[in-house]
Amino acid sequence: GENVEQHPSTLSVQEGDSAVIKCTYSDSASNYFPWYKQELGKRPQLIIDIRSNVGEKKDQRIAVTLNKTAKHFSLHITETQPEDSAVYFCAASKIGNQFYFGTGTSLTVIP
Amino acid sequence: NAGVTQTPKFRVLKTGQSMTLLCAQDMNHEYMYWYRQDPGMGLRLIHYSVGEGTTAKGEVPDGYNVSRLKKQNFLLGLESAAPSQTSVYFCASSYSGGSSYNEQFFGPGTRLTVL
Repeated sequence: GENVEQHPSTLSVQEGDSAVIKCTYSDSASNYFPWYKQELGKRPQLIIDIRSNVGEKKDQRIAVTLNKTAKHFSLHITETQPEDSAVYFCAASKIGNQFYFGTGTSLTVIP
Repeated sequence: NAGVTQTPKFRVLKTGQSMTLLCAQDMNHEYMYWYRQDPGMGLRLIHYSVGEGTTAKGEVPDGYNVSRLKKQNFLLGLESAAPSQTSVYFCASSYSGGSSYNEQFFGPGTRLTVL
């Protein structure tokens, strides 16, 4: 099956700086890559996703890049704010198939 | 629209006891999933269902059983609870496969402690 690795496991940044979280996957047939944000004690919620036919996608301060050849994708958060502090999970999936999640990155934004 | 709901929110069991966790969704989703979340382990898939009456094993199915008798409900059963099953359990649902990419919608979670 698919194997998704996520780095780093913890990340601290100063407010206003950028944060980057990276994931790699093993199954070249995976074609959907969502990112979820989970605040303490809450459920995971989708913040952005990317399909395999797209190299980059942006949504305000959040962007995701995908390198299909290298089988890795990254989450970029610019101008970080304290409310960005949370655990972020990447995932990989094929159409109609199960999702494989990374182990999560705990992001702390220091005011 | 309630989305995805889970019952109960918290539960404490003694080793060897059994229980059932209920997941319900009102979005007419075909796919439903049960995950467990442990510190440093991310979300690990226990079982999933691609439609009413179907179930399939995920990454960590041992010690759990599931049933999908109705499209809107997905039940997770623990026949003989063990301390290793102490975890937070999340249910999720998504639209069917085919040519669609499927965002998963998660329930609020059930915190289970096995003593």
